[in-house]
Amino acid sequence: ETGVTQSPTHLIKTRGQQVTLRCSSQSGHNTVSWYQQALGQGPQFIFQYYREEENGRGNFPPRFSGLQFPNYSSELNVNALELDDSALYLCASSSGPGNNEQFFGPGTRLTVL
Amino acid sequence: DAKTTQPPSMDCAEGRAANLPCNHSTISGNEYVYWYRQIHSQGPQYIIHGLKNNETNEMASLIITEDRKSSTLILPHATLRDTAVYYCIVRVGQAGTALIFGKGTTLSVSS
Repeated sequence: ETGVTQSPTHLIKTRGQQVTLRCSSQSGHNTVSWYQQALGQGPQFIFQYYREEENGRGNFPPRFSGLQFPNYSSELNVNALELDDSALYLCASSSGPGNNEQFFGPGTRLTVL
Repeated sequence: DAKTTQPPSMDCAEGRAANLPCNHSTISGNEYVYWYRQIHSQGPQYIIHGLKNNETNEMASLIITEDRKSSTLILPHATLRDTAVYYCIVRVGQAGTALIFGKGTTLSVSS
């Protein structure tokens, strides 16, 4: 059984640029959630994807967008990067949108300069 | 979701039991208590969850008080590898979408 994987592990961008982060869900999981974790804080929910549709969204602006593909992998896109977007971005998969047992990947560390 | 309160930090000696408390005094009848932990530089890891009965798995035990207003996560024989931030989350079962993380408890296990 393959766990949740994320790429890249680290990324450095400058303000105003755009970034795409990728996530492969655990085998058999059809739901992917994305979280942002600033230094010293708990993860904050960005959005969730189920069956290729957004299935819930946290308090993040529209420049945060996502996709889910037929194989259940997912992308997080952030446009017009700001310094405050520097954080660890975590992807979590689960066996359904109502399942609170979420399996997290190792995260992507994004630094915006 | 009900709000949870956890101490910011705790220490434990290796080999001893670590007892991590969580207060959730506004919990409602259909809300479960979930515990996750996050080891430094890794994603959070699911540990255990329960509704009102005590639960035990290979990682930990969860003790929920009879009035369900508080709970304790017990790591029976803490090791150095249990050093992590532990999050207590209250959530309606099968409600979907977001897990709401607070700041959690930083558990430091020392030899």
